[in-house]
Amino acid sequence: QQPVQSPQAVILREGEDAVINCSSSKALYSVHWYRQKHGEAPVFLMILLKGGEQKGHEKISASFNEKKQQSSLYLTASQLSYSGTYFCGTEPAGGSTLGRLYFGRGTQLTVWP
Amino acid sequence: GAVVSQHPSWVICKSGTSVKIECRSLDFQATTMFWYRQFPKQSLMLMATSNEGSKATYEQGVEKDKFLINHASLTLSTLTVTSAHPEDSSFYICSASQEEETQYFGPGTRLLVL
Repeated sequence: QQPVQSPQAVILREGEDAVINCSSSKALYSVHWYRQKHGEAPVFLMILLKGGEQKGHEKISASFNEKKQQSSLYLTASQLSYSGTYFCGTEPAGGSTLGRLYFGRGTQLTVWP
Repeated sequence: GAVVSQHPSWVICKSGTSVKIECRSLDFQATTMFWYRQFPKQSLMLMATSNEGSKATYEQGVEKDKFLINHASLTLSTLTVTSAHPEDSSFYICSASQEEETQYFGPGTRLLVL
């Protein structure tokens, strides 16, 4: 059930871009993206509910390819505050899942000045 | 809005004792609450899903007699780690959602069993 995230870690200079990928072997109903800073709770970034949906949040956006069971998170013109571990959470399609999410292992993003 | 609290933030206990962790949604009514555990630099592993007034649904491999979950109201869920052992030491995080949509996470509880 656990999706696969790549890359495991990214190091950027301020202003650079990054893409984080999330793929599942199961059909998906939705994909949720979170950012977690060390020792803190994950913070919700966005949810993608429909195949092909794209969403944006400041300079952070995401896409969801339902057919490929993949989602990508795009961070443009990165800022120091973007540093943290990014998790994708996937909700399986079909049946009553009660909104359960299964999380990838995370991508550690470090932005340097 | 969408604030979730957890108590306590930290707990250290002796092996064999039971520990209760509370999760509260402060400004909304949560139809569903979820419990996760997270080991250092690892992913969030879903332990169980609970709905107010009904029995929790546990993920495969999670012992329901070991991790007791009570969802007494639309704003409170508790996780009790019974007869805790050192291997139960972890970061326990709850989340709450309305109508199976966005999950909002609590700040987590660090459990250390000596």
